Amino acid sequence: QVQLVQSGAEVKKPGASVKISCKASGYIFNAYHMQWVRQAPGQGLEWIGAIKLTNGKVDCAQGFQDRVSMTSDTSTNTVYMELSRLRSEDSAFYYCAREFPETFNFDSWGQGTLVAVSS
Amino acid sequence: EVVLTQSPGTLSLSPGDRATLSCRASQSVSNSRLVWYQQRPGQAPRLLIYGASSRATGIPDRFSGSGSGTDFTLTITRLEPEDFAVYHCQQYDYAQGYIFGQGTKLEIK
Repeated sequence: QVQLVQSGAEVKKPGASVKISCKASGYIFNAYHMQWVRQAPGQGLEWIGAIKLTNGKVDCAQGFQDRVSMTSDTSTNTVYMELSRLRSEDSAFYYCAREFPETFNFDSWGQGTLVAVSS
Repeated sequence: EVVLTQSPGTLSLSPGDRATLSCRASQSVSNSRLVWYQQRPGQAPRLLIYGASSRATGIPDRFSGSGSGTDFTLTITRLEPEDFAVYHCQQYDYAQGYIFGQGTKLEIK
């Protein structure tokens, strides 16, 4: 079955970077896009961006373009999302989610990774 | 810029009731890109409805989606205890990327 397993919780100081992994299994890895979404405590969902594993292209929301890096390792079917210059407002659960190209829906989600940013 | 507004913010109902949740877009959006997710406490979101009205795999038929243009609705007939959760609508805009509503919390009355 399809599984997306994310790395564990992180505690970071303001100004630092965090790199979260998302390991996929149970499907053809590079046939899908991998989306990243975050959710601050008690808040709604916010789209960060995506890596299109069909061609390696990265597409990010405007507010993240200068701070986010997304990469993939096809040998381990793992996607990475790195967020730099962290601030307290970046404290949130971060989710990876799979999208079949041009279907505009995320049909499987990782369990989430909690990132806490505190001095 | 497209904004999705969900209402009500919180809906208090009893098991067996019918729930009607609204998602309104600030400008007309394509039906094919309107999606609903369910998020139970402590869990990741789960795909419920895509293309405004198509149920995802394994979703019971008490869940249905409808609407077009700027007004979309998620209806849950005969609420079960496991349906009490937060529901998010989502839209894709070619300029902005993916946009989410702020969510509707469905709570037990």
